[in-house]
Formats: sequence, C-alpha cells, structure tokens
Amino acid sequence: DAGITQSPRHKVTETGTPVTLRCHQTENHRYMYWYRQDPGHGLRLIHYSYGVKDTDKGEVSDGYSVSRSKTEDFLLTLESATSSQTSVYFCAIRATSGMPPEGNEQFFGPGTRLTVL
Amino acid sequence: KQEVTQIPAALSVPEGENLVLNCSFTDSAIYNLQWFRQDPGKGLTSLLLIQSSQREQTSGRLNASLDKSSGRSTLYIAASQPGDSATYLCAPSTDSWGKFQFGAGTQVVVTP
Repeated sequence: DAGITQSPRHKVTETGTPVTLRCHQTENHRYMYWYRQDPGHGLRLIHYSYGVKDTDKGEVSDGYSVSRSKTEDFLLTLESATSSQTSVYFCAIRATSGMPPEGNEQFFGPGTRLTVL
Repeated sequence: KQEVTQIPAALSVPEGENLVLNCSFTDSAIYNLQWFRQDPGKGLTSLLLIQSSQREQTSGRLNASLDKSSGRSTLYIAASQPGDSATYLCAPSTDSWGKFQFGAGTQVVVTP
C-alpha cells in the first residue's frame, strides 16, 4: 500500500469553516498529489508537490491551499469550506525519490470522505 | 486539455470470459499511462503502468497495450473471475510531473 495514510477518514463540517486534510507517507517519496473524486467528474487533480515547500496547482485548485513542510506530510486546506467541496479526497505518491523518470507508478491512499453542510 | 474516454461505461460478463476495456485520449503526446481498479468505497489500486516507449505491459492475467498514434490503450483481463468485479480507470500523463487525467471508468461485473 506504499505506506500512505490519510486523516481524518471521514469528516462532516459546516459551510464557511476551514478544514485541513492530512496525507502521510512513510517511504520518503518526493512527489505527492491531492485529487478529488465526484460522480460525473471522475478524479481531478487539486494540487501536487515535488518536494518540501515545492507545490503547484492542478486542474481544480480554487478554494484549496496546500503545504509541505516535511517530506512525509502533505496537507490540503479548504480555506472556507463550501457545499461544492463535498467530495472524496485522495492523496497519491509517486514511487520515486529522484528526478521524474517516466516509469514511476502512482499509489493512492484510502481517501477522506468530506461532507460540507 | 487532455480528454480521456473509457468505453464501455459498464460491462457484465460470465466468469471465465476475457475482458477488453478501452481507453482513448485526445493528446497523443503522453508521458505514460497507468491503469487502476477501484472497489466500491475504496481507494485506487495500481494495476499496470505503461511507458510512452512501450507497446504493451503484462502482469499475470492482465495485459495493457498502448497505441500513442491513435490515442488508445486497451486493458485485457484473461479468464475473468468474480473478484475482478470493480471499476477500472485509465489515466494518461502528458508531462513529467505525473499529473494524470482520469477517465470516468468502466464498471465491470463478473457473474459466477
């Protein structure tokens, strides 16, 4: 399972509150990703990181921020949660710690189900 | 923007039949393509990664082919089993950063 954990696994929150989701990996991988999965839209990339303090936006980054102060942790923050951010959030790692060679698989965490009321 | 289409959207077969799952993508300049399975309420499990320089990749009963020029990849599952019931997703990447574009998936049911 590539040593990926996500916390919390389930969360219910109210509109307007900040929410932080955590992705933790134990294998020192350089690349980490946050996706959301919604019916009718599939999986879409929110943000990704290619090293400590190195992050960039994905396809659906509005309303989200990320931080990576340690190799093992990648945090996703919803600055002011809205009902449209109700989704299942997946973290992924790319199984390499070096430059991006093409032959590196991505492995996904178990997901966090977030409900914004 | 890369558009990924998976056909069929759903498939039901009796146990023992071979499965053929299709994935097409609009930007043929892909870096690599990965196939995943997802069980209901679960995360994604990696099946195969096929690099842009490869024509196919095999793992056990699974074989994935890649035809970049036509923008297609096909996942073959031989001698299907009820445990193969899941949603199968393909995800090409068009850059070296590993940013995938996912298809909507093919939902497979294998009946005993």
